[in-house]
Amino acid sequence: QVQFVQSGAEVKKPGASVRVSCKASGYILTTYTYAIHWVRQAPGQSLEWMGGINTGNANTKYSQNFQDRVAITRDTSASTVYMDLSSLRFEDTAVYYCARAIDGYSYSGMDVWGQGTTVTVSS
Amino acid sequence: DIQMTQSPSSLSASVGDRVTITCRASQSISSHLNWYQQKPGKAPKLLIYAASRMQGGVPSRFSGSGSGTDFTLTISSLQPEDFAIYFCQQSNSTWTFGQGTKVEVK
Repeated sequence: QVQFVQSGAEVKKPGASVRVSCKASGYILTTYTYAIHWVRQAPGQSLEWMGGINTGNANTKYSQNFQDRVAITRDTSASTVYMDLSSLRFEDTAVYYCARAIDGYSYSGMDVWGQGTTVTVSS
Repeated sequence: DIQMTQSPSSLSASVGDRVTITCRASQSISSHLNWYQQKPGKAPKLLIYAASRMQGGVPSRFSGSGSGTDFTLTISSLQPEDFAIYFCQQSNSTWTFGQGTKVEVK
């Protein structure tokens, strides 16, 4: 059974950076078939795609809304994908999710999700 | 970017009701449309992918239809566990979500 377990809640000051991790179990992270994506949800708001990484070749794709501030990486030995977000602003306060989808296949949805990590940006 | 617009933003319904939620894309997305259910404090759950294909384990009362720009999610007979927020998502060009439809108890 594929499962993603994310790191715990974070509180950061404006201008700081945050790293959120997503550890996979029941899933071989080196497979080229899937990508792990990051999606965030501000309080009471909809969902926003940030970017994703093909877990086999580490190719990444980012939303233009986060292009300069987000980096997604993977550590296959740790079966973990990381999302780094820099230059944090108050409006980055949100729950951050990792989720899996078939890479490069437009008929795929995100079928497995992590439990979410709350990031709070506060002075 | 492709914009996704859901309607209604909320609706009130009773157990046993037939519920329909619509989603419109700002340009044609073929059948690259997915539907999710989200309950409070939980991650979204994939219900329907490729507009009409049911994800494994999803009850058959859920169905999806549409192609191009107009899509529909239907719950044929609403059950107590179906009160939640539903999101559409296009996967034609990167990923964007609709604003959500909250299904509440009437």
